[in-house]
Amino acid sequence: AQSVTQPDIHITVSEGASLELRCNYSYGATPYLFWYVQSPGQGLQLLLKYFSGDTLVQGIKGFEAEFKRSQSSFNLRKPSVHWSDAAEYFCAVVGLNTGTASKLTFGTGTRLQVTL
Amino acid sequence: DGGITQSPKYLFRKEGQNVTLSCEQNLNHDAMYWYRQDPGQGLRLIYYSQIVNDFQKGDIAEGYSVSREKKESFPLTVTSAQKNPTAFYLCASSIAWQNEKLFFGSGTQLSVL
Repeated sequence: AQSVTQPDIHITVSEGASLELRCNYSYGATPYLFWYVQSPGQGLQLLLKYFSGDTLVQGIKGFEAEFKRSQSSFNLRKPSVHWSDAAEYFCAVVGLNTGTASKLTFGTGTRLQVTL
Repeated sequence: DGGITQSPKYLFRKEGQNVTLSCEQNLNHDAMYWYRQDPGQGLRLIYYSQIVNDFQKGDIAEGYSVSREKKESFPLTVTSAQKNPTAFYLCASSIAWQNEKLFFGSGTQLSVL
C-alpha cells in the first residue's frame, strides 16, 4: 500500500531564511507526487507536482521540490521565506498509472510558522 | 470566477440529527470528491463521483451519504450513524476522473453540540 510520511509536524523559520519541508513516500511503482498548501480555515491549493522528467520541479509562490528516487523523497524548498508562507503543507502521492485522484494518499501535514 | 463553493462555513449538529453539507462547482469538472480532515491527520476520502449519477465509497464512507444528480453539485449528508462527526470537511473536483489534479473548496467545519 502506498503511504506518505511528513516527519516534521511543526517548523518555525525566520522571515528571509531558507526552508525545506521533508516528504518521504512508499510506492511500489512510479509515483506521481504533489505538494499542496492550506491556509487556516481554507481549502488546499496545489503548489507543484512531479510525474516524470526533470527531478527538480518549480511551482507557484517561489517553491520548488526535488524528486529523489533513491531516497524515496520529494522535499519542498524555498530560498527565502515570506511571512505570508505561514500555512500547513501537505505532500501527496498516487501511482502514475492509477489515473484517478481517488487514489491519492496525503501526508499528515507540516505546519509552518514564520517569525518576523 | 470559476471555483468550488462550500456552504455553510460552520455547521453544528445535534445528537441524532442528519446534516447536509453543500458543494457546488462551476468549473465544468466531471469528478468530485469529499474529504474529511482531522487535526494532525492527512485528508481521508469519504466519497467520490467520477461522473454525474454515479458515486463510489472512499476509505471512510460509513455514516455518510452523497448524491450526484447534477454535474455541478455533490452534497454530503452526515447521518446520525456517524458517531464522531466533528471535523473539517473539504470538497474537491478534478477535470475528469482520470486527472489527479484537485481543486478544493474552502471547507466546512462541522461540530457537535
